[in-house]
Amino acid sequence: EPEVTQTPSHQVTQMGQEVILRCVPISNHLYFYWYRQILGQKVEFLVSFYNNEISEKSEIFDDQFSVERPDGSNFTLKIRSTKLEDSAMYFCASSADRDRGYTFGSGTRLTVV
Amino acid sequence: RKEVEQDPGPFNVPEGATVAFNCTYSNSASQSFFWYRQDCRKEPKLLMSVYSSGNEDGRFTAQLNRASQYISLLIRDSKLSDSATYLCVVRHRDNYGQNFVFGPGTRLSVLP
Repeated sequence: EPEVTQTPSHQVTQMGQEVILRCVPISNHLYFYWYRQILGQKVEFLVSFYNNEISEKSEIFDDQFSVERPDGSNFTLKIRSTKLEDSAMYFCASSADRDRGYTFGSGTRLTVV
Repeated sequence: RKEVEQDPGPFNVPEGATVAFNCTYSNSASQSFFWYRQDCRKEPKLLMSVYSSGNEDGRFTAQLNRASQYISLLIRDSKLSDSATYLCVVRHRDNYGQNFVFGPGTRLSVLP
């Protein structure tokens, strides 16, 4: 079964540093997403990406965040100047159609110290 | 009012029991509805889409009531492996565009 792959599985970074979280969506999917889940809390939408541009973003996705699809396979989330409250599990997801359910990657656990 | 609300749980049921989860959503313009399951510290996995006419997948039945803005999931003959958190997910349009909104989840523990 096709998978969404995320790396690294766990990232520890110092407050104020920049991190890049990487994702390889399912190859024939066209819509890509980032979500985050703070420990013990619900899954929160960050951003959706289609046709090489951001299609929607939430109020969480401020100037600290950016996304990129640098080549035909990777989809990255960059967090500049990380804060303690950025510590969370970050999930990448992709879908073939925006109205279908998503396939999630196994997530990157980001710990900001 | 929160956008997507679910039974707070947890639900502790014996193997073989039938269990039902409820979900309500606040945005009447919501367009698509799903149930996901999430195991502890794992990613959400799509369980099933929810269609207006209701739909069934094996032991799982999902219902949608648009008038009441209510979604349900029924699990029959529950198995130990059904233990997980069940997430109600609604796609709607808000000020930030269209996106999927996750409910807080209902935790199910199926006991031997």
